[in-house]
Amino acid sequence: NAGVTQTPKFRVLKTGQSMTLLCAQDMNHEYMYWYRQDPGMGLRLIHYSVGEGTTAKGEVPDGYNVSRLKKQNFLLGLESAAPSQTSVYFCASSLGPPLLLAKNIQYFGAGTRLSVL
Amino acid sequence: KQEVTQIPAALSVPEGENLVLNCSFTDSAIYNLQWFRQDPGKGLTSLLLIQSSQREQTSGRLNASLDKSSGRSTLYIAASQPGDSATYLCAPTLGGADGLTFGKGTHLIIQP
Repeated sequence: NAGVTQTPKFRVLKTGQSMTLLCAQDMNHEYMYWYRQDPGMGLRLIHYSVGEGTTAKGEVPDGYNVSRLKKQNFLLGLESAAPSQTSVYFCASSLGPPLLLAKNIQYFGAGTRLSVL
Repeated sequence: KQEVTQIPAALSVPEGENLVLNCSFTDSAIYNLQWFRQDPGKGLTSLLLIQSSQREQTSGRLNASLDKSSGRSTLYIAASQPGDSATYLCAPTLGGADGLTFGKGTHLIIQP
């Protein structure tokens, strides 16, 4: 019953440091997503992947990189953290796009709270 | 670009009341719309998914309606309980690979 698991749950970085957030799903989903949630802004899509080995930019991709080397894992990297990247990061996964799959429910992880000082 | 508005932004009601949360979106060419619940410090949980061909979807005390042509959806919660306290988000999907567009949510407090 793991679903979508994010690690770590909390992290504090200094400006300029790098880190990688890991998302793992055990539902054999093709699609995976990284969002950030900021007060007053709602959730915004950073990057997404439509299958193993693929990645694509979302609404706010600058300052982030991603990789999907294995179907079950989606990594989000910050090469040089900035205070503007202080946020809560959510990973999600789904079977496929609504165009092909009407019941396209997205499943979310519990989030990673990141503070950049 | 899809714009999603949720009204009200916050709502506090006594236990037992029926209530309606509203969601409007600018692009009506959606494939489906999801309502999510988010508890403080937690992730999002999908409550209901209503397909573009449907008018209503029900799950327990929750009922979601969709008027695609006017770009509106409502989430009706019957006989509210303190455990319903959470933030509720709606997310219409245009069908592309790039995920959902979320509203900013309605922060709901049910007073015991």
